[in-house]
Amino acid sequence: EADIYQTPRYLVIGTGKKITLECSQTMGHDKMYWYQQDPGMELHLIHYSYGVNSTEKGDLSSESTVSRIRTEHFPLTLESARPSHTSQYLCASSVVQNIQYFGAGTRLSVL
Amino acid sequence: SQQGEEDPQALSIQEGENATMNCSYKTSINNLQWYRQNSGRGLVHLILIRSNEREKHSGRLRVTLDTSKKSSSLLITASRAADTASYFCATDPDTGRRALTFGSGTRLQVQP
Repeated sequence: EADIYQTPRYLVIGTGKKITLECSQTMGHDKMYWYQQDPGMELHLIHYSYGVNSTEKGDLSSESTVSRIRTEHFPLTLESARPSHTSQYLCASSVVQNIQYFGAGTRLSVL
Repeated sequence: SQQGEEDPQALSIQEGENATMNCSYKTSINNLQWYRQNSGRGLVHLILIRSNEREKHSGRLRVTLDTSKKSSSLLITASRAADTASYFCATDPDTGRRALTFGSGTRLQVQP
């Protein structure tokens, strides 16, 4: 298992709530990523970062935002959650040859 | 949109049989990688093949790459029930954004 941690593992919240999904890695990797994945489906890149103070939007339009103030920490925030945000969110980091190390994921349900 | 297309979408085999999954992609790449995902978990890197390589082995895994056809295959030999998972290919493009693009995945079920 890679040293990349996501919390919480499961989250059920009501519409309109603000939430932050946490992701931390202890490997010192510069590159970090957030993906959205519906069960059994493909991954969609929503945000990535190449280092501190560097963030970019991915392929999938997302109402979330990210920050990268420290190398090891890459939190994702939803200002106002909606049922359409219900999904699994995967965080990953990489270094050599873009091999990615994934966290266990956060499964989000918005009621 | 995702670059990789995987085939088949789902595969069910008996223990001991071989499983073959295919991946096609569209752009030039530095390397192609295969990942495994157990249900409800994150992905785990299995094997990487560079664009100048044609075949690579790791234990029971064999990966081939044909850059002229922009395709790759993953062969799992002598499958076990514990191999049951989803398998994804991912391409590392050689231009532009340096983020992997994942395929749609093959769901493998190995019956004991």
